[in-house]
Amino acid sequence: AQSVTQLGSHVSVSEGALVLLRCNYSSSVPPYLFWYVQYPNQGLQLLLKYTSAATLVKGINGFEAEFKKSETSFHLTKPSAHMSDAAEYFCAVSPNTGGFKTIFGAGTRLFVKA
Amino acid sequence: DTAVSQTPKYLVTQMGNDKSIKCEQNLGHDTMYWYKQDSKKFLKIMFSYNNKELIINETVPNRFSPKSPDKAHLNLHINSLELGDSAVYFCASSQGPLGGDTQYFGPGTRLTVL
Repeated sequence: AQSVTQLGSHVSVSEGALVLLRCNYSSSVPPYLFWYVQYPNQGLQLLLKYTSAATLVKGINGFEAEFKKSETSFHLTKPSAHMSDAAEYFCAVSPNTGGFKTIFGAGTRLFVKA
Repeated sequence: DTAVSQTPKYLVTQMGNDKSIKCEQNLGHDTMYWYKQDSKKFLKIMFSYNNKELIINETVPNRFSPKSPDKAHLNLHINSLELGDSAVYFCASSQGPLGGDTQYFGPGTRLTVL
């Protein structure tokens, strides 16, 4: 069974600092991996996804994530945090060998301090 | 134009009542989903339909009954509401049911059962 673990339910950074949100997955074969963002009182929207092409994936709003098979990780980074990045971030995994279900991590709340 | 819309946005009701939430997508997608997000932001899939056919039916009380009258609509009816049903319910859609397909989420329906 596939699973995804997000390390840290809350992350706080200063404006302009590096953002690093951690995600580790469990899967017998490399799956599809996603990062979604949820702003307050809104639905989730896709930031980026890994579908077995390039291991470094660039997304919207300056975010990127690197797929590391050896570490079973898909951490999300952004070089310089902006106040508008404050939101809940979800890592998600879904199979690439059939099956339809996407499993979401528990989420990481990002706080950005002025 | 709103891609995935849900009505109502807020729903406050008494225990034991029956209520419905409606979802519509104008993206031309074949697959639609219902998710439940609890107070700790944990997101769990409930149901998924592909071309009006049920393909995911998680361990959900049978008080919850989804209905897909056509590919663009997926409604959720809940009978005999309980306190534990209080949550935010998200509808989502994707091009198809494949694991790599991006899901597009509606704004959510906040259900409060008193």
